[in-house]
Amino acid sequence: QVHLQQSGPGLVKPSQTLSLTCAISGDSVSSNNAVWSWIRQSPSRGLEWLGRTYYRSKWYNDYAASVKSRITINPDTSKNQFSLQLNSVTPEDTAVYFCARWGAGWAFDFWGQGNLVIVSS
Amino acid sequence: DIVMTQTPLSSPVTLGQPASISCRSSQSLVHSDGNTYLSWLQQRPGQPPRLLIYKISNRFSGVPDRFSGSGAGTDFTLKISRVEAEDVGVYYCMQTAQLPLTFGGGTKVEIK
Repeated sequence: QVHLQQSGPGLVKPSQTLSLTCAISGDSVSSNNAVWSWIRQSPSRGLEWLGRTYYRSKWYNDYAASVKSRITINPDTSKNQFSLQLNSVTPEDTAVYFCARWGAGWAFDFWGQGNLVIVSS
Repeated sequence: DIVMTQTPLSSPVTLGQPASISCRSSQSLVHSDGNTYLSWLQQRPGQPPRLLIYKISNRFSGVPDRFSGSGAGTDFTLKISRVEAEDVGVYYCMQTAQLPLTFGGGTKVEIK
């Protein structure tokens, strides 16, 4: 059974960087059959896919246009986890952030528990 | 971007009665590999979303058989044959056929 455990601060100041980590158990971040994503949820924007990282003989990343200039998703093979960095945050980035695995059925089959991140001074 | 539109926004249902949720995509979800990548998620209060159905009609592991999915192209439906108390929550359709991945706005299932 795959388990995703998220960690990171719940409060970030405007203009600073939001950083979250998703630790994977039961699968590998380097798996050739999985894709690892970050998704956020807010009352104003609903569920919003932010980006993904995956390994297919080399590492690939894709990001949503809405955050492309500010986002980095990195795998960490030594710790079997992946991370989200979102730069220059504003209050509009306040949301619950989820990590999730996109599995063989091309659907998000396992999710982290979610982190509420509030952007406020 | 593919826009996913769900109806109704809210569905009050009597326990033991059926419920049905519709999802329409602004473009066909048929991928170049021939598969249609439409899935359904359930989100109970205070929980992360949970996968129910993938590729239109395939139930994910552990999902009760009272949940079923159908549809093709741009029109899809999730049905609950007999609603139970544990089915209360918000249901989302989502497409993984094309980037960016997009979600419907959600349908709240509640007990009358």
